[in-house]
Amino acid sequence: AQRVTQPEKLLSVFKGAPVELKCNYSYSGSPELFWYVQYSRQRLQLLLRHISRESIKGFTADLNKGETSFHLKKPFAQEEDSAMYYCARQGAQKLVFGQGTRLTINP
Amino acid sequence: NAGVTQTPKFRVLKTGQSMTLLCAQDMNHEYMYWYRQDPGMGLRLIHYSVGEGTTAKGEVPDGYNVSRLKKQNFLLGLESAAPSQTSVYFCASSYSRGRGDADTQYFGPGTRLTVL
Repeated sequence: AQRVTQPEKLLSVFKGAPVELKCNYSYSGSPELFWYVQYSRQRLQLLLRHISRESIKGFTADLNKGETSFHLKKPFAQEEDSAMYYCARQGAQKLVFGQGTRLTINP
Repeated sequence: NAGVTQTPKFRVLKTGQSMTLLCAQDMNHEYMYWYRQDPGMGLRLIHYSVGEGTTAKGEVPDGYNVSRLKKQNFLLGLESAAPSQTSVYFCASSYSRGRGDADTQYFGPGTRLTVL
């Protein structure tokens, strides 16, 4: 079964510090991976997808097939980055989500 | 466009009561999903639909039923609510890529359900 693992339920960093949210997936072919974000009192929304190779709100994520990882990174955290982050993998007809990581940025 | 809407936003039920949650989307999406979100458990898929008139079980389907009579609507029913079904329920929809894959999911605002 396809699985997505986010080992950290909670992550707290100070403003201006680098941020890395970890995501690992079970190996199977060429995965298509996503990061979704849920800000306080807002609905869940797509942050970025690996095939786009883009940077959104300063975040990037690189697919590492050797380590089966898709970690989300930002060099300098901002307070507005505080949110719930979900890593997800494309499955047959649906997405498989990780358990989520709640990121808190301290002032 | 309203996107994905959910009705109601909040509900409190007593054990054994029934209710239906309504999800509507105006983006002409083929695929629709129902998730529940619980602390420490992340998002878990309850049921989904790949088109009008079709439904399929997700990861945690027990205790729930769904119907997709119209393309734009996806209903989630609880026939006999239990305290374990206290959760936040999210609906989502997406395009079909035409090869069995779905595209970006668009989420509704959620329904907070408490079962006493």
